[in-house]
Amino acid sequence: AQKVTQAQTEISVVEKEDVTLDCVYETRDTTYYLFWYKQPPSGELVFLIRRNSFDEQNEISGRYSWNFQKSTSSFNFTITASQVVDSAVYFCALSGGMEYGNKLVFGAGTILRVKS
Amino acid sequence: EAQVTQNPRYLITVTGKKLTVTCSQNMNHEYMSWYRQDPGLGLRQIYYSMNVEVTDKGDVPEGYKVSRKEKRNFPLILESPSPNQTSLYFCASSGGLAGFNEQFFGPGTRLTVL
Repeated sequence: AQKVTQAQTEISVVEKEDVTLDCVYETRDTTYYLFWYKQPPSGELVFLIRRNSFDEQNEISGRYSWNFQKSTSSFNFTITASQVVDSAVYFCALSGGMEYGNKLVFGAGTILRVKS
Repeated sequence: EAQVTQNPRYLITVTGKKLTVTCSQNMNHEYMSWYRQDPGLGLRQIYYSMNVEVTDKGDVPEGYKVSRKEKRNFPLILESPSPNQTSLYFCASSGGLAGFNEQFFGPGTRLTVL
């Protein structure tokens, strides 16, 4: 079975602080895909990044960076110099492909509050 | 504009009154799916469809029905809604059937069953 754990239910930071959101996953597959989505207060889901299991390179996109470590089954997300607009719920998700119905298995989400 | 649309966006209903939430995508995607979002549980898949007339159960299908008569539409039907189906519902579509394909989500439908 596939499972995603986001142990941090809620994080509060002050603007300009760096913050890391943790994601730990479980799967028996050798090929799988990891995603991060952002859900701002308006409620829509915004795709942030996709990573396949064969690509352990870290990724940086502006203030966002992702650290994928297969050895610890983790795919953590760091926001550098956080801003109030980063306040949202962040979901980590795992996909195993067609045998799972192309299903995304989501973690419970982490609520990030950035205070000015 | 490429998008997934859902209607209605908000719905308050009573127990037992049949309802349908529509979902439509204009990207000619083969794969469509329904999820429900509940606090502390994230999103869970209800049903999915890999093509027209091909549907299958996800993790939480009880109390729901779907149909896929046309490629662009994938309505979610609650024949006899109950309060435990109060939730935020998302429709999603994907251009491929493999797990690496990004799923595009609709804006969500907030359903309250009294």
